[in-house]
Amino acid sequence: AQSVTQLGSHVSVSEGALVLLRCNYSSSVPPYLFWYVQYPNQGLQLLLKYTTGATLVKGINGFEAEFKKSETSFHLTKPSAHMSDAAEYFCAVTMNQGGKLIFGQGTELSVKP
Amino acid sequence: DAGVTQSPTHLIKTRGQQVTLRCSPKSGHDTVSWYQQALGQGPQFIFQYYEEEERQRGNFPDRFSGHQFPNYSSELNVNALLLGDSALYLCASSGWGWASNQPQHFGDGTRLSIL
Repeated sequence: AQSVTQLGSHVSVSEGALVLLRCNYSSSVPPYLFWYVQYPNQGLQLLLKYTTGATLVKGINGFEAEFKKSETSFHLTKPSAHMSDAAEYFCAVTMNQGGKLIFGQGTELSVKP
Repeated sequence: DAGVTQSPTHLIKTRGQQVTLRCSPKSGHDTVSWYQQALGQGPQFIFQYYEEEERQRGNFPDRFSGHQFPNYSSELNVNALLLGDSALYLCASSGWGWASNQPQHFGDGTRLSIL
């Protein structure tokens, strides 16, 4: 069985500060891992994904994530937060990209001016 | 190039009624998945359709059913609505079958409110 745990339901940072959103997963098979962002009253937009290969993955809007198998983690980072980054972020795991996605509970990111 | 489109945007129903939600996948995609997102929660997988058949199903009762048409569009039907069915219903599409290596693209969802 697969599962995802996002540590911290709410994270607040100042504009220009480092963003770190934590995600730990459980999977009995090599996982595919994703980060999605959701703005108010909108659907989910794919930020980045890990399938195989390079463990440091770069995504859109300056975000990146590192797959650490030994720690079963896939934390999302951005060096400098922007006001437009304020949104809900979801980490997800699946056995194959086109199949059932299992999501974490989400982390709401607030950015203070 | 249109993305995933869902209709209607909002819907209000009363307990016991039935509802049908619709989804058109992104151009070139043939697989449609449905998710339920309760307020303050992550999306929960309902089921997935490929080649007009239900291929995978999550932990949802039989009141939730679906259909996929030859043009790959899909419907989600919910019977005997309960207050707990109030949620954002998201449709996602992907290409080349449910076991492909293509990521899922999401629509903006249908907000269903049950009174």
